[in-house]
Amino acid sequence: DGGITQSPKYLFRKEGQNVTLSCEQNLNHDAMYWYRQDPGQGLRLIYYSQIVNDFQKGDIAEGYSVSREKKESFPLTVTSAQKNPTAFYLCASSIDEGRYTNEKLFFGSGTQLSVL
Amino acid sequence: GESVGLHLPTLSVQEGDNSIINCAYSNSASDYFIWYKQESGKGPQFIIDIRSNMDKRQGQRVTVLLNKTVKHLSLQIAATQPGDSAVYFCAETTSNTGKLIFGQGTTLQVKP
Repeated sequence: DGGITQSPKYLFRKEGQNVTLSCEQNLNHDAMYWYRQDPGQGLRLIYYSQIVNDFQKGDIAEGYSVSREKKESFPLTVTSAQKNPTAFYLCASSIDEGRYTNEKLFFGSGTQLSVL
Repeated sequence: GESVGLHLPTLSVQEGDNSIINCAYSNSASDYFIWYKQESGKGPQFIIDIRSNMDKRQGQRVTVLLNKTVKHLSLQIAATQPGDSAVYFCAETTSNTGKLIFGQGTTLQVKP
């Protein structure tokens, strides 16, 4: 089955700790994204990558970092600089068709991050 | 600024009735719209999309209507079932920005 796998499902962060959320896709999609979702809120874009070894900041990139060393993988690190990290994090991917880069995002099942 | 919003935060319908979820957008340059369904604790799932050169598009039990004059988008679900209970998001994008903007979501509750 093709899809997007996020792990872990639940993650706890201690004060001052960096944590990394995993996202892997086997859809052969070029573009990958990280979104943050707070309760009762829509999705806000953290980072996105349209090609390997390249990524761009989204609307709320402060306190987060990413890497895109492989087409299949786009891990997100929540650093200690992110003072309010508790949220549901969603990874997504899409085929980059140029004009409609973001169309038909396919989402993973999410990671719930909480602060201890 | 640009925004995408939903008229009602919660919609409660009787099983078997039709549901209509509304979405307003402010960017007249938006040319592609998507509806997603998100069940509790899961990622959003694609339901249906529509481009700005269309007014209506139908899927299985779902219809999306686009009114560009008033910048309004709606999702109609026929014969609503308990499995339709979820949060529904509309999203928009423009070809020159390439970024999806999501609305805040409407919770659909289906009463048996």
